Amino acid sequence: AQSVTQPDARVTVSEGASLQLRCKYSYFGTPYLFWYVQYPRQGLQLLLKYYPGDPVVQGVNGFEAEFSKSNSSFHLRKASVHWSDWAVYFCAVSMTSNTNKVVFGTGTRLQVLP
Amino acid sequence: GALVYQYPRRTICKSGTSMRMECQAVGFQATSVAWYRQSPQKTFELIALSTVNSAIKYEQNFTQEKFPISHPNLSFSSMTVLNAYLEDRGLYLCGARAGGRNYAEQFFGPGTRLTVL
Repeated sequence: AQSVTQPDARVTVSEGASLQLRCKYSYFGTPYLFWYVQYPRQGLQLLLKYYPGDPVVQGVNGFEAEFSKSNSSFHLRKASVHWSDWAVYFCAVSMTSNTNKVVFGTGTRLQVLP
Repeated sequence: GALVYQYPRRTICKSGTSMRMECQAVGFQATSVAWYRQSPQKTFELIALSTVNSAIKYEQNFTQEKFPISHPNLSFSSMTVLNAYLEDRGLYLCGARAGGRNYAEQFFGPGTRLTVL
């Protein structure tokens, strides 16, 4: 069964600094990977998604992620963090490209210092 | 654009009572709808996956007897939490997707937050 691990429950960065949120997945097939963001008291918004192809995918608001099959990873990056990025970020994996069923990681809470 | 609405946004019920939550897709045909729960301090768990004109598939630890779901058309789904207890509290998300197409995005609603007293 597929699973997702986000090893960092909480990450704190200063505004303007670069960011990396880590995600490791476990799946023996071709994974379809997602990063979602949950702002305070809101639902989920899709940041970006990976379908087999270019390993670096661009998302909204300057976010990007890189798929690595050898490392089973899909880390999220941003060159310069803004205070509005303060939220919880979830990595997720799906078995196919044609389903609603995704398995979520436990989330990483990002705090941005002024 | 594609949007998903959920009603109510927030609800409180007494322990042992039931409450119904709704999910509406606007701007696309929601062939498949997934219901997820985020319990306090936890991640999102899939409760069930519903596809129009197909049987609803419940995940392990979730049953139709506890979480009956209706998905009567391509824009609407509802789920009821029967006999709610403390462990049922959390944020319930609806994820709707235009099924039958590869790579179709799943759109999430803002969620219904359930508090059980």
